[in-house]
Amino acid sequence: ETGVTQTPRHLVMGMTNKKSLKCEQHLGHNAMYWYKQSAKKPLELMFVYNFKEQTENNSVPSRFSPECPNSSHLFLHLHTLQPEDSALYLCASSQELVGEETQYFGPGTRLLVL
Amino acid sequence: DQQVKQNSPSLSVQEGRISILNCDYTNSMFDYFLWYKKYPAEGPTFLISISSIKDKNEDGRFTVFLNKSAKHLSLHIVPSQPGDSAVYFCAAKRPYNTDKLIFGTGTRLQVFP
Repeated sequence: ETGVTQTPRHLVMGMTNKKSLKCEQHLGHNAMYWYKQSAKKPLELMFVYNFKEQTENNSVPSRFSPECPNSSHLFLHLHTLQPEDSALYLCASSQELVGEETQYFGPGTRLLVL
Repeated sequence: DQQVKQNSPSLSVQEGRISILNCDYTNSMFDYFLWYKKYPAEGPTFLISISSIKDKNEDGRFTVFLNKSAKHLSLHIVPSQPGDSAVYFCAAKRPYNTDKLIFGTGTRLQVFP
C-alpha cells in the first residue's frame, strides 16, 4: 500500500470554483507538508503541520487554505485561484525528529486552473 | 537566491555505464542531504541520503558523495538501467530545522539501451 495517498490525481477548475485536495498518510508520521511544483522550478514548500499545528506558512496567498484535522489527514482548500496556480501539488509526511528524518511524498494532484 | 543548485537539467547515459548527477549548495549550515527520484505522474521517491559527518554513503547501485569544502554532492548510479530514467532532485536541510527541505530544480536522466 502506498504510504501517502492524494486525491484527486487530476483537477480542472475555473477561477470562481471552490475545491479541496486531500492527503492521507498511513505511515504513523506526525508532520505533514504541502508543496507546489511548477514547471522548471524547485519544489516550493507551502505549509507544514507538526502534530496538527501549522508551523510554517511560506507566504502563500490566502486563496490556499490548509486544514489538518488529525496527524493522518491534510487538506488544501482552494478558492478563486488564478491560472498561474496551475501546478503539481504534492503532499508529504515525515516523523519529526531532530536530525535526519526523511519526507515521503504522495503522487500529487495535477491542477489546471482555467 | 537558490541555495541548492542542479546545473545540469538533463543527462543521457548508455545502459550499463555510470550516471553521475551533481548538486551544489551555498549554505554551509546544511547538515543533511537527500536524493529523490521522480517518475512522470508520480511523487518524488526517497532514494538515498547522507549526513554531513560522512563523505560517502552507498546503497546497492547508488552512492552519494559529499564534498563539504566544495559544497558539492553527487549521486553515482552504476550500472545504469533503463528503469533509472527519471528526474532526480537533491535536497538539503539545516540542523534543528526539521521541517524544511530545500530542493534543487532536478536533473532528468535518460538511460538508453
